[in-house]
Amino acid sequence: EPEVTQTPSHQVTQMGQEVILRCVPISNHLYFYWYRQILGQKVEFLVSFYNNEISEKSEIFDDQFSVERPDGSNFTLKIRSTKLEDSAMYFCASTQPGHPSSGANVLTFGAGSRLTVL
Amino acid sequence: QKEVEQNSGPLSVPEGAIASLNCTYSDRGSQSFFWYRQYSGKSPELIMFIYSNGDKEDGRFTAQLNKASQYVSLLIRDSQPSDSATYLCAVFISAGTASKLTFGTGTRLQVTL
Repeated sequence: EPEVTQTPSHQVTQMGQEVILRCVPISNHLYFYWYRQILGQKVEFLVSFYNNEISEKSEIFDDQFSVERPDGSNFTLKIRSTKLEDSAMYFCASTQPGHPSSGANVLTFGAGSRLTVL
Repeated sequence: QKEVEQNSGPLSVPEGAIASLNCTYSDRGSQSFFWYRQYSGKSPELIMFIYSNGDKEDGRFTAQLNKASQYVSLLIRDSQPSDSATYLCAVFISAGTASKLTFGTGTRLQVTL
């Protein structure tokens, strides 16, 4: 079964450092997403991406965050200057367009990247 | 008003019983409705989705949707200890190319022996 692959699985960084989290979405999917989950809290939407541009973003997704699809397969989340409160699990997800009856809008999630900011 | 509301639990049911999980949502433009299961430290795992009013069954799981009441539920029949997890209700909304899946806080289910 196709899957979304995320790397690294765990990254520890110092406050103020830049971090790049990487994702390889399912190959025929066209919509890509990043979510985060702070320990013990809900899964929160960060950003959605379609046709090489951001289609929607949350209030959390401020100027410290950016996303990019540098080639035909990777989808990255960059945090420019990490803060302690950025410590969380970050999930990448993807889906295909279409009618729900075809399975569209069903997000497949990667295993996540745990970010620890010290 | 929270977009997707769930009782955080824990909901405790004995093995073999029916577990009933509920969810309400605020945006009437929501198009598809999902139940994910999440084990501690893991990513959400899709159980099932529903987009039309009524019931949808898949094995031991039944999802129910009532758009007029903005209510979604999940029934788990013959609950097993391995069903113990947090169950996340999520709603999908899209408008043009913008789309997102919004999660509730999750209901923790404990299936006891």
